[in-house]
Amino acid sequence: GENVEQHPSTLSVQEGDSAVIKCTYSDSASNYFPWYKQELGKRPQLIIDIRSNVGEKKDQRIAVTLNKTAKHFSLHITETQPEDSAVYFCAATGTDSWGKLQFGAGTQVVVTP
Amino acid sequence: DTAVSQTPKYLVTQMGNDKSIKCEQNLGHDTMYWYKQDSKKFLKIMFSYNNKELIINETVPNRFSPKSPDKAHLNLHINSLELGDSAVYFCASSLRGARTQYFGPGTRLTVL
Repeated sequence: GENVEQHPSTLSVQEGDSAVIKCTYSDSASNYFPWYKQELGKRPQLIIDIRSNVGEKKDQRIAVTLNKTAKHFSLHITETQPEDSAVYFCAATGTDSWGKLQFGAGTQVVVTP
Repeated sequence: DTAVSQTPKYLVTQMGNDKSIKCEQNLGHDTMYWYKQDSKKFLKIMFSYNNKELIINETVPNRFSPKSPDKAHLNLHINSLELGDSAVYFCASSLRGARTQYFGPGTRLTVL
């Protein structure tokens, strides 16, 4: 089955700096890679996703890159703000897996003013 | 509001009791999921239903029994609750082809 590893487990950044979270996956058949943000006590919310036919996707201050050959994908947050503080999860799934998302262990991001 | 909703939000109970959590979505999705988030925040899928049919059944104790009366509802019944069942349980839904999953607000279960 799919195995997703996520690093780092915690990330402290100064407001205005960039944050990068990296994930690797094991199943080469995986072709959908979402990123979720979970604020304290709240539900995970999708912030961006990428499919395997695309190498990079951007939405305002967040971007995701995918390297299929190396089987890794990354989340980039630019110009971080205090409201970006949360736990971020990467995930992966394949076409035939009935949407079974395998999540990474999460990254606690703390943005200090 | 269009959303995924869960009840109850909090559930505190004694070991050995039986409890249920309910989930409903009005997004028109055909697939629903149950996830468990442990104290270390790890999210793990437990079950999934597509159009009332069980399609994902992970290695979960058989004390946990999901039930989907229709494609908009997915319930989770837990028998003989144990201390290790304490966690936050999230329901989610998606459209089979789209694969983007939307999560409910979660149910924090505490077993004493």
